[in-house]
Amino acid sequence: EIVLTQSPATLSLSPGERATLSCRASQSVRNYVAWYQQKPGQAPRLLIYDASNRATGIPARFSGSGSGTDFTLTISSLEPEDFGVYYCQQRSNWFTFGGGTKVEIK
Amino acid sequence: QVQLVESGGGVVQPGGSLRLSCAASGFTFSTYGMHWVRQAPGKGLESVSFIRFDGSNKYYGDSVKGRFSISRDNSKNTLFLQMNSLRVEDTAVYYCAQDDGLLLIQWGRGTLVTVTS
Repeated sequence: EIVLTQSPATLSLSPGERATLSCRASQSVRNYVAWYQQKPGQAPRLLIYDASNRATGIPARFSGSGSGTDFTLTISSLEPEDFGVYYCQQRSNWFTFGGGTKVEIK
Repeated sequence: QVQLVESGGGVVQPGGSLRLSCAASGFTFSTYGMHWVRQAPGKGLESVSFIRFDGSNKYYGDSVKGRFSISRDNSKNTLFLQMNSLRVEDTAVYYCAQDDGLLLIQWGRGTLVTVTS
């Protein structure tokens, strides 16, 4: 099973700041990484797929990068509605989720 | 628009059974694979089960293998999860999700299953 490790566990930032979230795979997953956002009490929502492609309706402030084993989700300027938990997911070998990074208001 | 509505959750004793349903609308249900994913209180996401669009292949996570069974009724646009021999550690919110090449592109709001004595 491919293990995804997300860091940091918690990111404390203010609105307007840049957020950088990391996801590391235990073996190469090529570019088959997706990112999901989950707000409290809500279901997850697909943000990014295949490392760098924004899903339908996702604002341009969300961007993804990486390949192989190291991936990054960047939120260029945090809006109040962006605070929540972010999960990465690989689909190179079946699929697994990372443990999540909580983005909280500083 | 796509809607996925889960139902059937509740409180059950260890060893008991529950059957979850997921009513789908807004897309051609019979052409998409479907997932059940769960989230224990305060925890991350765990894949529970997957079924191909035509029901020909099914996948189960190791923690539920032999106890849970996934099925679908394409004539009624409904996904099911039969959960038997429930354990305390099965307590979670259970989400159904629409698959697109192992991307979970749409999710329901979830249904809470609580296993307690």
